[in-house]
Amino acid sequence: GNSVTQMEGPVTLSEEAFLTINCTYTATGYPSLFWYVQYPGEGLQLLLKATKADDKGSNKGFEATYRKETTSFHLEKGSVQVSDSAVYFCALSGNTGRRALTFGSGTRLQVQP
Amino acid sequence: GAVVSQHPSRVICKSGTSVKIECRSLDFQATTMFWYRQFPKQSLMLMATSNEGSKATYEQGVEKDKFLINHASLTLSTLTVTSAHPEDSSFYICSARDSGGALWTDTQYFGPGTRLTVL
Repeated sequence: GNSVTQMEGPVTLSEEAFLTINCTYTATGYPSLFWYVQYPGEGLQLLLKATKADDKGSNKGFEATYRKETTSFHLEKGSVQVSDSAVYFCALSGNTGRRALTFGSGTRLQVQP
Repeated sequence: GAVVSQHPSRVICKSGTSVKIECRSLDFQATTMFWYRQFPKQSLMLMATSNEGSKATYEQGVEKDKFLINHASLTLSTLTVTSAHPEDSSFYICSARDSGGALWTDTQYFGPGTRLTVL
């Protein structure tokens, strides 16, 4: 079946530091890949997505590239802010059938001023 | 953007009682909604897929008689936890898929979640 593995947290960074959160996946066929963010006390929000190999998703300074050869979808941001503190979830969905999401375990990011 | 609401946001009940959680898509139609369960500091686990006008599809290990799902309209799905026990205490999250767009723009929108505590 499908599975998503992402790096354990928490990740603690200083403001303006470079961020990488690793995500790798196992899936049959050609899944779509997502990063969701959960701010304290709020529901999950879609941060970015990519639907095919070599696609780059980007939003709010965050980027992730769909790498089929390494089955990865690492999240990066060049300069984090305190407001980026949240839990980040990598997820995938198949492109047929129910297209339910399979989530990674989540990575908590804490950005200090 | 698309908004999904859940009600209640927090509920405390006694063991043996039933609790209903509502999930509504506020500004779009959703033929498919999903129910997830999230344990503290863990990821979301898919419980079931709710289909408008038909029976829900449950994931392996999820008791369909305990977690009753009804998707009565294109904007409302309900999850009823029957005869709740302390081990059912968890954070329940729904998502709705906008069925109005093209397939390749298919996106799930998440509700804010419902914290259930069973005493």
